[in-house]
Amino acid sequence: AQSVTQLGSHVSVSEGALVLLRCNYSSSVPPYLFWYVQYPNQGLQLLLKYTSAATLVKGINGFEAEFKKSETSFHLTKPSAHMSDAAEYFCAVSFYGGSQGNLIFGKGTKLSVKP
Amino acid sequence: KAGVTQTPRYLIKTRGQQVTLSCSPISGHRSVSWYQQTPGQGLQFLFEYFSETQRNKGNFPGRFSGRQFSNSRSEMNVSTLELGDSALYLCASSRGVRSYEQYFGPGTRLTVT
Repeated sequence: AQSVTQLGSHVSVSEGALVLLRCNYSSSVPPYLFWYVQYPNQGLQLLLKYTSAATLVKGINGFEAEFKKSETSFHLTKPSAHMSDAAEYFCAVSFYGGSQGNLIFGKGTKLSVKP
Repeated sequence: KAGVTQTPRYLIKTRGQQVTLSCSPISGHRSVSWYQQTPGQGLQFLFEYFSETQRNKGNFPGRFSGRQFSNSRSEMNVSTLELGDSALYLCASSRGVRSYEQYFGPGTRLTVT
């Protein structure tokens, strides 16, 4: 069965520092993986996706993620944090139907950026 | 291209009442999924509709129902509201029933008192 684990419910970085948000998945089939961002009182916005092409995926707002099959990971990174990056980030894995829906989400990681 | 729209954005209801939420997908998208988001449970899948048919359903009681119209717009209904139904309800649209790239609306914040 597919599942997603996001390590750390809260991550705090200083402005200009590296952002690293961790995501590990389990899947019995080659997965599609996604990162979404949610700003307060808003819906989820797709940051980037992995669909079995390049293992290093670039997304919007300077974020990127690397698919590592051997580590079953899909960590999200950004070289230099900006105040506007403060939000909640969700990792998701694809799943063919079932009671969990087409996407299974992690619990989310709230990113705080200190000036 | 206009994004996913949800109405209303905010709702306050009393326990025992019922509520209907609306979602208009991105033009050309035929699949609509609904999610409930709460601080304790996170994002939980409610159901998915494609071509006016429910294709997939999450583990929610029968009080939660939905439908999709021929123009792909979707509504979800919650009857006999309970305090625990207070949540952000998110709608997402995608091109097809197995299109994993989902685009989310801003959500409807439902508060049950």
